[in-house]
Amino acid sequence: GEDVEQSLFLSVREGDSSVINCTYTDSSSTYLYWYKQEPGAGLQLLTYIFSNMDMKQDQRLTVLLNKKDKHLSLRIADTQTGDSAIYFCAEIPGGYQKVTFGIGTKLQVIP
Amino acid sequence: AAGVIQSPRHLIKEKRETATLKCYPIPRHDTVYWYQQGPGQDPQFLISFYEKMQSDKGSIPDRFSAQQFSDYHSELNMSSLELGDSALYFCASSLDRSTGELFFGEGSRLTVL
Repeated sequence: GEDVEQSLFLSVREGDSSVINCTYTDSSSTYLYWYKQEPGAGLQLLTYIFSNMDMKQDQRLTVLLNKKDKHLSLRIADTQTGDSAIYFCAEIPGGYQKVTFGIGTKLQVIP
Repeated sequence: AAGVIQSPRHLIKEKRETATLKCYPIPRHDTVYWYQQGPGQDPQFLISFYEKMQSDKGSIPDRFSAQQFSDYHSELNMSSLELGDSALYFCASSLDRSTGELFFGEGSRLTVL
């Protein structure tokens, strides 16, 4: 995760909005992703955004991309206890076919 | 819907032993990836295969090897195991490797004693 940076922990109350931030370094990344990992489980792709977009909305999820600052964010509206998990920002660095993950942000939702 | 199947789910080995992990990708997915995730760490890319050929290599130790077979399943072989190899090993597959849409298995937890 040396090229993708995220804060480690976020705590929100149920019903509030959560915003998870990520900074990536490879400006040639074509796609940027958000994956979710629940305890003891594999990673699940939540959503992704193409690099020529600045916003994507999918139900309760909103992804914002600022290419100039290489900043990606995931907003979860009306956060539920089931949203408690680790959220990984990820990219495919230019010239590679592998997905590189950030360190992950642990989201804790307080009832 | 079929998912990525990994086996075994849990494996306990002693130092210097050998372990083999198996991965069965989603049908029609032609690319397989192996990731290693240590406790509290992000998944680290090890190696990937596209159409049975190695397509990319990450931080895979020389003690590890992998291959993809004619039926597209993949195996990760780990020899001379060290304590630091204890981790969750994830396999993922994709239908279109350019999009980065990976479908992950539940992982194989390796514990080296």
